Amino acid sequence: GAGVSQSPRYKVAKRGQDVALRCDPISGHVSLFWYQQALGQGPEFLTYFQNEAQLDKSGLPSDRFFAERPEGSVSTLKIQRTQQEDSAVYLCASSLMGQSSSYNEQFFGPGTRLTVL
Amino acid sequence: KNEVEQSPQNLTAQEGEFITINCSYSVGISALHWLQQHPGGGIVSLFMLSSGKKKHGRLIATINIQEKHSSLHITASHPRDSAVYICAARQGAQKLVFGQGTRLTINP
Repeated sequence: GAGVSQSPRYKVAKRGQDVALRCDPISGHVSLFWYQQALGQGPEFLTYFQNEAQLDKSGLPSDRFFAERPEGSVSTLKIQRTQQEDSAVYLCASSLMGQSSSYNEQFFGPGTRLTVL
Repeated sequence: KNEVEQSPQNLTAQEGEFITINCSYSVGISALHWLQQHPGGGIVSLFMLSSGKKKHGRLIATINIQEKHSSLHITASHPRDSAVYICAARQGAQKLVFGQGTRLTINP
C-alpha cells in the first residue's frame, strides 16, 4: 500500500518568503509527526498530532513555524518569513496508534528539502 | 551534551567486514530504535528494542538497559549497506530523541 508522501520534495525559497510543506500520512494512521533534520544531523522533533489535535508543539523553533491537520489526515507545516537557518530536510512520519498505545512504529516520508537563499 | 550520542560519526570499511555502531543515551526510555536512512532522505525502521537482542538477517541489535547503551552490528557487510544509521530513544509512547547518525560506507 502507499506509504507516507510529502510534497514538494525540494523547495527553494528566498529569504523572507512563506512556504508550505505537505504531508500525506498512511491512510488511517492516527498519529502524525514533523521533524527537522539539518545537514549531517539526526532529525529533531517539531510537533505531534493525534488526529486533528496538536498535542505537542514544543519543538517548533519559533512562532514563524505553524502546523495544522484540520481533518485528521493531511498535515501542512508552514514557515513564515523564512530565514537561512530554516534550511533543512523536513520529515513527516505517521503511526497507526494514538498516545495511549504502548507500541508505535513510525513510518517516515521521504522528506522535503528546503533551501533558503 | 546530546541526550543520545552515537559513535563513530563516520565509518568506512571493506566489503565483508564486521561493523559495529554504538549508541549511548542519558534519558529514560520506553524503547530504543535503530533506523536506516538512504541518500534522498527515506528512513526505514530496522529494530525496536526494549531489552536483550534482536536479529534480522545480517543485522543484530543489542541493548543494555543498565548501562544505557545499544549497539548495531552488521555481519558480512556489503556495499548496499552503505547508509546513515540512526539510533533514537523513545520516551513514553510517542516522542523520539534521535542521535546524530553514523555514516557508513562499505567499499567493494
